[in-house]
Amino acid sequence: GAGVSQTPSNKVTEKGKYVELRCDPISGHTALYWYRQSLGQGPEFLIYFQGTGAADDSGLPNDRFFAVRPEGSVSTLKIQRTERGDSAVYLCASSSGTSGVNEQFFGPGTRLTVL
Amino acid sequence: TQLLEQSPQFLSIQEGENLTVYCNSSSVFSSLQWYRQEPGEGPVLLVTVVTGGEVKKLKRLTFQFGDARKDSSLHITAAQPGDTGLYLCAGAGGFQKLVFGTGTRLLVSP
Repeated sequence: GAGVSQTPSNKVTEKGKYVELRCDPISGHTALYWYRQSLGQGPEFLIYFQGTGAADDSGLPNDRFFAVRPEGSVSTLKIQRTERGDSAVYLCASSSGTSGVNEQFFGPGTRLTVL
Repeated sequence: TQLLEQSPQFLSIQEGENLTVYCNSSSVFSSLQWYRQEPGEGPVLLVTVVTGGEVKKLKRLTFQFGDARKDSSLHITAAQPGDTGLYLCAGAGGFQKLVFGTGTRLLVSP
């Protein structure tokens, strides 16, 4: 596809469960970002990949959150022992990583609800 | 910590009116971007401004980057219902995370 895709679009889980959220970036984009957006607020940075490695994971709130990008394309955000406060829209973005300006293109997001 | 404050937080206007949204920070950014987000979708990039004092126009939207690259404004002329959405500014410092503003929710009524 032409844009960033994310699956699932919606995920409802129970407190304490494990979830995985998937992101397919734009083909050829080397940089991939995860953000979290709470209702009515701007997105907050979680983690940034350049290729396969996490270049900046300073936004991950705690060690229950982990993300991987093993082949430098698709990325998975993993959340262990989910809590109600994890409920939010999780956005993925990608950029070419080669131009002089960091223009990021966002997917539609995954809405996570923890009951 | 870099913060971007947007004002107003919410704006409800009639079709045909003009409006300005402000984005302010105490930090300098190498570039600043404006996004519009509609319910159930991710933010969509409208414009990127790079040079201090730069002005860019996109149809009825005019974007300005402050001389010191710490603030920006978005002006919409003759707003239309299709302009309704959440407007977000975001500061960038190279190929790293974007720091998003608090957002301005715009409602344009017919």
